[in-house]
Amino acid sequence: KAGVTQTPRYLIKTRGQQVTLSCSPISGHRSVSWYQQTPGQGLQFLFEYFSETQRNKGNFPGRFSGRQFSNSRSEMNVSTLELGDSALYLCASSLAGSADTQYFGPGTRLTVL
Amino acid sequence: AQKVTQAQTEISVVEKEDVTLDCVYETRDTTYYLFWYKQPPSGELVFLIRRNSFDEQNEISGRYSWNFQKSTSSFNFTITASQVVDSAVYFCALSEGSDDYKLSFGAGTTVTVRA
Repeated sequence: KAGVTQTPRYLIKTRGQQVTLSCSPISGHRSVSWYQQTPGQGLQFLFEYFSETQRNKGNFPGRFSGRQFSNSRSEMNVSTLELGDSALYLCASSLAGSADTQYFGPGTRLTVL
Repeated sequence: AQKVTQAQTEISVVEKEDVTLDCVYETRDTTYYLFWYKQPPSGELVFLIRRNSFDEQNEISGRYSWNFQKSTSSFNFTITASQVVDSAVYFCALSEGSDDYKLSFGAGTTVTVRA
């Protein structure tokens, strides 16, 4: 079974631009979560989607948004990029919910100049 | 407040030594789940083990073992006979029934295994 895939793997953007990251979950997994990893803040939860509905959201500004499609694939968008948005963005999938193990993709390394 | 605390920032050992990683968690929920993940230099978080709050039995899986103690809110993880390939950052994580669908991570412990 293929694992979680994320595209692109690396991105370089400039301040003020927007970016869209994509995540394809493991086949059969319906829950997709996003996390941001930075040296200063560590791993922080962004949001979680199940059946195209956002069920939980972390403490991030409205510039961070996401969505999930009917095939469970998910995208996250960051608008008006700031230097502090430079991070590794990790996507995880699980069968359905908090009782299930989350499996992570390789991440997208975003650099904002 | 930090829900998961990993007090050890870095651990360095020589190959074949055992490594024990400490994790202390905080929750008011009676149902919760604890995890250990490994992050090698490539960046991907790799799932290692998982424990439910209602099952305190400690187990061994290959070179990995864990010690879950609800009385002290600790979930420690041991790598037996470490190998160079074990060098990575190890994260302890908590999933609470009342804060569904999200993992709260500790700050991570960097393990370096020297040949």
